[in-house]
Amino acid sequence: DIQLTQSPSFLSASVGDRVTITCRASQGISSYLAWFQQKPGKAPKLLICAASTLQSGVPSRFSGSGSGTEFTLTISSLQPEDFATYYCQHFNNYPLTFGGGTKVEIK
Amino acid sequence: EVQLVESGGGLVQPGGSLRLSCAASGITISGHYMDWVRQAPGKGLEWVGRSRDKAHSYTTEYAASVKDRFTLSRDDSKNSLYLQMNRLKTEDTAVYYCATTYFHSDIYWPDQWGQGTLVTVSS
Repeated sequence: DIQLTQSPSFLSASVGDRVTITCRASQGISSYLAWFQQKPGKAPKLLICAASTLQSGVPSRFSGSGSGTEFTLTISSLQPEDFATYYCQHFNNYPLTFGGGTKVEIK
Repeated sequence: EVQLVESGGGLVQPGGSLRLSCAASGITISGHYMDWVRQAPGKGLEWVGRSRDKAHSYTTEYAASVKDRFTLSRDDSKNSLYLQMNRLKTEDTAVYYCATTYFHSDIYWPDQWGQGTLVTVSS
């Protein structure tokens, strides 16, 4: 099974900060990676698929990059509504595992 | 507008069974791959299983942790997806989400999610 390791697991940042979250795969997964945002008590929300394709309606301050084994989610200027937990998930083969999550909190 | 509504969660004893439902509106799920994902209290997301679309004969994939205990099925007449959970364990306690997918760049991506239903396995 492919393991996804997210770092950091916890991040404290201020409004306006540039934030980068990394997701590393235990083997190459091409660009078969998605990023989700989850707020407490809510379902996950798909932000980015295929490593870098922004979903409709997602603000352009979110961007994704990478391929193979290393991927990043960047928020160019953190907004109050972005404080949440972020997960990566691969779609290279089954099982479709998630990373452990990165909680972004207010500094 | 696509809406997915999960139901069927509740309290069940270890070794028991439960069937979760995911009723869809605004979309005909026979044409979509569908996923179940769960989240134990205070923990991260765990993929549970996937049901392919009608064109792919509704074949299924499961996480190792649930394989041979959980079964995915559908009812086209009710536009619904089901997760039959047998031989439940305390570690199956979680909120269970269903999601429908869309096809892009060779992959089916889960883009619409329900609100989740809580399953508690405890004696």
